[in-house]
Amino acid sequence: DVKVTQSSRYLVKRTGEKVFLECVQDMDHENMFWYRQDPGLGLRLIYFSYDVKMKEKGDIPEGYSVSREKKERFSLILESASTNQTSMYLCASSLGLAGAAYEQYFGPGTRLTVT
Amino acid sequence: GNSVTQMEGPVTLSEEAFLTINCTYTATGYPSLFWYVQYPGEGLQLLLKATKADDKGSNKGFEATYRKETTSFHLEKGSVQVSDSAVYFCALPMNYGGSQGNLIFGKGTKLSVKP
Repeated sequence: DVKVTQSSRYLVKRTGEKVFLECVQDMDHENMFWYRQDPGLGLRLIYFSYDVKMKEKGDIPEGYSVSREKKERFSLILESASTNQTSMYLCASSLGLAGAAYEQYFGPGTRLTVT
Repeated sequence: GNSVTQMEGPVTLSEEAFLTINCTYTATGYPSLFWYVQYPGEGLQLLLKATKADDKGSNKGFEATYRKETTSFHLEKGSVQVSDSAVYFCALPMNYGGSQGNLIFGKGTKLSVKP
């Protein structure tokens, strides 16, 4: 079974802190994604990566950056956390093959609260 | 670009009732279509998919038929159980073809099933 793990289930940070959210997948997937999930807004794509050291902006990249130094790990960084970044963050991965690429496997999510 | 619209919830049903969650899409070409499900406290997981017109995807008693005439992919289940309580997301590829796997998700429909 594909397993996608996220470093924390719950996280509380203060405004202005630098926050790191880690995601690791164990199935050698090429594609990795970071989403945020908010009530009434569904899932919104923050960043994605289709290869090591490659990254592409999604729909809402402002205030975030990412790092992919190894194929299995994709980190989301909040450079200076703000209260409007309080949300559920979901990581996902998929194979880099046409067709299979859309079968995304998700981690359990990190609920981040910024106070 | 591609887009997806699904019925808003929440939907509350009694056990053994019939379920329909509507999903319509606009797309270039005939992309694959997906339903994802998110159980409480978990990330999303793929529920079913259909890869071409008139295809029926099915899993765990759920079904959805790819209707190109009505650009719809409605999710149905004949007899829901309490364990089906979850949020359901309709999705389609952001772009036609390719291996990067970007999906557009509907806003989600929360289903609650009462015993």
